[in-house]
Amino acid sequence: GEDVEQSLFLSVREGDSSVINCTYTDSSSTYLYWYKQEPGAGLQLLTYIFSNMDMKQDQRLTVLLNKKDKHLSLRIADTQTGDSAIYFCAVVNSGNTPLVFGKGTRLSVIA
Amino acid sequence: DSGVTQTPKHLITATGQRVTLRCSPRSGDLSVYWYQQSLDQGLQFLIQYYNGEERAKGNILERFSAQQFPDLHSELNLSSLELGDSALYFCASRGGTANSPLHFGNGTRLTVT
Repeated sequence: GEDVEQSLFLSVREGDSSVINCTYTDSSSTYLYWYKQEPGAGLQLLTYIFSNMDMKQDQRLTVLLNKKDKHLSLRIADTQTGDSAIYFCAVVNSGNTPLVFGKGTRLSVIA
Repeated sequence: DSGVTQTPKHLITATGQRVTLRCSPRSGDLSVYWYQQSLDQGLQFLIQYYNGEERAKGNILERFSAQQFPDLHSELNLSSLELGDSALYFCASRGGTANSPLHFGNGTRLTVT
């Protein structure tokens, strides 16, 4: 089945850019999502990209997709302390099947 | 606010007991998914329902069961609880279009002592 990998930790200074990476195994993955989880909260949808796109920008967030390498990244510009959270990459290969999640990357922002 | 409601927020119970977790999906969403989040296993898919019917099963133990009712709310039943069942249990719902993302509730934190 699908396997999604993420590095577990990332630490950045406030004001710098953060880049969170994700790799997946199923080349038929169609929809790719980024979720954010703050302490004690559920998963909040941040953004998503379809497999027919290479890039998507949404305010401070930029998602890049390299289908050949099965690599997805989330760039957060001008990272703030409020961005400290766990970020999950999730992929799915058809409309109504379950999302498969990575284990999450814990982003720590140093003031 | 995602629009997905889960109750209770916290649950503390003893080994061997049975509990029921409840989820109300976003208005209009027919699909409900249950996930378990533990420190070592990450976010594991348990089971999916669509309009009352079971659609997909993941790593759900035989001691666990779920159902979706005609009003589309869902319940996850966990029985013969073990210490290792302590985790966060999330419900998520999804709209009907192919690109609809999952919208998550805030979860139920289960502690088995």
